[in-house]
Amino acid sequence: AQRVTQPEKLLSVFKGAPVELKCNYSYSGSPELFWYVQYSRQRLQLLLRHISRESIKGFTADLNKGETSFHLKKPFAQEEDSAMYYCALSVGGFKTIFGAGTRLFVKA
Amino acid sequence: EAEVAQSPRYKITEKSQAVAFWCDPISGHATLYWYRQILGQGPELLVQFQDESVVDDSQLPKDRFSAERLKGVDSTLKIQPAELGDSAMYLCATRRSTSGGSSYEQYFGPGTRLTVT
Repeated sequence: AQRVTQPEKLLSVFKGAPVELKCNYSYSGSPELFWYVQYSRQRLQLLLRHISRESIKGFTADLNKGETSFHLKKPFAQEEDSAMYYCALSVGGFKTIFGAGTRLFVKA
Repeated sequence: EAEVAQSPRYKITEKSQAVAFWCDPISGHATLYWYRQILGQGPELLVQFQDESVVDDSQLPKDRFSAERLKGVDSTLKIQPAELGDSAMYLCATRRSTSGGSSYEQYFGPGTRLTVT
């Protein structure tokens, strides 16, 4: 069965510290993975996609097929990064399965 | 910038009543999704449309939920009768197409928060 697991419900770091939000997936096919973000009082929006291999707002995520992981990383957290982050798996190019989300809180 | 619109934003209803939600997609977006998000969880797909056709409704509780997308534009999700466990955020998302280029990104609406009492 396809599944996305985000083991941390809440992650709290100090401003300037590195941050890593964990995501593990279960899928027998070729995965297409995304990170979505929801800032306070805003809509859920795409942050980045593994295929594009780009850095958005200083965040990067590398797909590790051996560990079936797609962790989101940023070397120096900023207060404006505080938000809810969802890892998502696209199956067959259609259906998207979301993890339960991790709330990131960046302290001043 | 075009956005997905949803209404109402909030809905309080008594159990056993009927309730309906409306979604207006970004113009030209052929794929439309309805998700349910229970507090503390991620969005869960209820139904997916490609134009006016249902592509996936395997997770839609069909005894009480129905969805339609007449003319392949706006869409309505209905619950009848509502149950206490239906209290959740209902999200609509749309996507430009199913293949090619930047069509993979889903654009989400603000959601409708349903409370069943």
